[in-house]
Amino acid sequence: KNEVEQSPQNLTAQEGEFITINCSYSVGISALHWLQQHPGGGIVSLFMLSSGKKKHGRLIATINIQEKHSSLHITASHPRDSAVYICAAPISSGSARQLTFGSGTQLTVLP
Amino acid sequence: NAGVTQTPKFQVLKTGQSMTLQCAQDMNHEYMSWYRQDPGMGLRLIHYSVGAGITDQGEVPNGYNVSRSTTEDFPLRLLSAAPSQTSVYFCASSYSLSTDTQYFGPGTRLTVL
Repeated sequence: KNEVEQSPQNLTAQEGEFITINCSYSVGISALHWLQQHPGGGIVSLFMLSSGKKKHGRLIATINIQEKHSSLHITASHPRDSAVYICAAPISSGSARQLTFGSGTQLTVLP
Repeated sequence: NAGVTQTPKFQVLKTGQSMTLQCAQDMNHEYMSWYRQDPGMGLRLIHYSVGAGITDQGEVPNGYNVSRSTTEDFPLRLLSAAPSQTSVYFCASSYSLSTDTQYFGPGTRLTVL
């Protein structure tokens, strides 16, 4: 079982809809990252958060450390938001320090 | 700042050939890492480094070597390329995993015939 679980795996929305992508994790973490990857493109960091909420334009990320859950919201979605969204958390295993990634959410926003 | 740069962008190799993927960052980041991304799969960590002279294995290290002689550079060497190493390779860097944004390079698309 992956220590970082994302849902849904695929999401199709109409332009203008409010979108929520969820991420849950099974161990204690100090921070969580949300990343965005456009088709055939590079990976961009959207947020890194350790508590509460962060907002950047139409994107909002929240995290509840006690419940081990984070959400990424997109308000007034647009076709250019179509991408894969990935959550990731730094999880230590023995001496290894690495990011553990969720499986990603493929978002398609239709005009 | 140029951020994280990777070269080459595309590469085709024959089975058994060796090559080095270059990664450099100009942000004085201590933590650097290499990932591979296969179609329909998530990112998998190959090797990482927490500072110059220090490297460690990730989830899928077999067939790859790394070194970190300077803070800026973190090359990934394929010793004897195999078709199973066909993938997109991403390099990333940050000050730390826990408290800092991760910066990714643009990726290298590698095909091994």
